[in-house]
Amino acid sequence: GAGVSQSPRYKVTKRGQDVALRCDPISGHVSLYWYRQALGQGPEFLTYFNYEAQQDKSGLPNDRFSAERPEGSISTLTIQRTEQRDSAMYRCASSLEGLAVNEQFFGPGTRLTVL
Amino acid sequence: GESVGLHLPTLSVQEGDNSIINCAYSNSASDYFIWYKQESGKGPQFIIDIRSNMDKRQGQRVTVLLNKTVKHLSLQIAATQPGDSAVYFCAEQTDSWGKLQFGAGTQVVVTP
Repeated sequence: GAGVSQSPRYKVTKRGQDVALRCDPISGHVSLYWYRQALGQGPEFLTYFNYEAQQDKSGLPNDRFSAERPEGSISTLTIQRTEQRDSAMYRCASSLEGLAVNEQFFGPGTRLTVL
Repeated sequence: GESVGLHLPTLSVQEGDNSIINCAYSNSASDYFIWYKQESGKGPQFIIDIRSNMDKRQGQRVTVLLNKTVKHLSLQIAATQPGDSAVYFCAEQTDSWGKLQFGAGTQVVVTP
């Protein structure tokens, strides 16, 4: 079946521009997670949704980062006024539900480059 | 594809040998641990998990060992194959919602 999909796969933008990264989780998965992964490092938690509710956003670096999941399915991570330090791989994962031990399935990621 | 192995500890293993990858975790309250495999250009892929009430769990060619006393996790891969070449991350679940904290990763290179 279809896995987690993310778009775009690659995004190059100029410093100061806003970007929106999209995540389409596995159908029926209640929980959705956003991570950021620097080259050579493990994914770093950004934020988490249970259905449409954002349960934890403690990992968002600053207020330029925001995320939404208005209908409990597709999620968008928005970065405003991008800076070069925002360059990274942004990964989305989904699981059946978060209030239990459930495997998280990761998407292919969006590689963001800020010039 | 992108390389995720830059600046990572590397374990070089001969095909057919067993591999042991080690990980130290940070939170003594964590109760669920997972090993992920990440191939170049791909997202992390679940390998095996273990709950804190266990000290060993076996899967197909893989075994995870958990030592809560010293907060140490290991992954053993039996009869390592070329397809096992990847970066391996351990992760601990730090809350009831599924928030994961990943370790630094180990690059496994399988040589013929």
